[in-house]
Amino acid sequence: AQSVTQPDIHITVSEGASLELRCNYSYGATPYLFWYVQSPGQGLQLLLKYFSGDTLVQGIKGFEAEFKRSQSSFNLRKPSVHWSDAAEYFCAVGGPSSGNTPLVFGKGTRLSVIA
Amino acid sequence: EPEVTQTPSHQVTQMGQEVILRCVPISNHLYFYWYRQILGQKVEFLVSFYNNEISEKSEIFDDQFSVERPDGSNFTLKIRSTKLEDSAMYFCASSEFRDPNEQFFGPGTRLTVL
Repeated sequence: AQSVTQPDIHITVSEGASLELRCNYSYGATPYLFWYVQSPGQGLQLLLKYFSGDTLVQGIKGFEAEFKRSQSSFNLRKPSVHWSDAAEYFCAVGGPSSGNTPLVFGKGTRLSVIA
Repeated sequence: EPEVTQTPSHQVTQMGQEVILRCVPISNHLYFYWYRQILGQKVEFLVSFYNNEISEKSEIFDDQFSVERPDGSNFTLKIRSTKLEDSAMYFCASSEFRDPNEQFFGPGTRLTVL
């Protein structure tokens, strides 16, 4: 069965510092991987996705993620965090494009940004 | 930019009452989904819908739940007899035929069962 693990429940970084949020997945075939961000009281906004090709993907708001098949990981990174990045971040895995496979989400990582 | 919309944003109901949560998916999308997020927990899949029928449903989606596409634009989730544990944020999502895995989420409806 598909699963996603986000080992860090809460991370605090200083504004301007770099950020890496970890995500490990379990999936039998080539996964479709996503990072979503959720601001308080808001819906889920797609930051970036990986389907195939270049393993380093760029997303919105200056985020990037790297797919490492050997480590079953899809970590999210940002070189310099802004206070507005404080939010909950969810990693998710989906199935092949032949069907509308449900997304399986991790439990999320809450990011706090301090001055 | 097209977006998924949901109404109401917040619904308060008494235990045992029926609720209907409404969603308007992006107009050219053909796949529709409901997910829920209990406070402080992860987002969980409930049901997917395509071609006017359920494609897949989770264990959460029991006989108390139903979905419907009553017209060409709305997609609804009905809970027949709400329980306290149904209190959650409910997200609707939609995706297009060419790329069904890229799901676009609505802002959610917060359901509070008293």
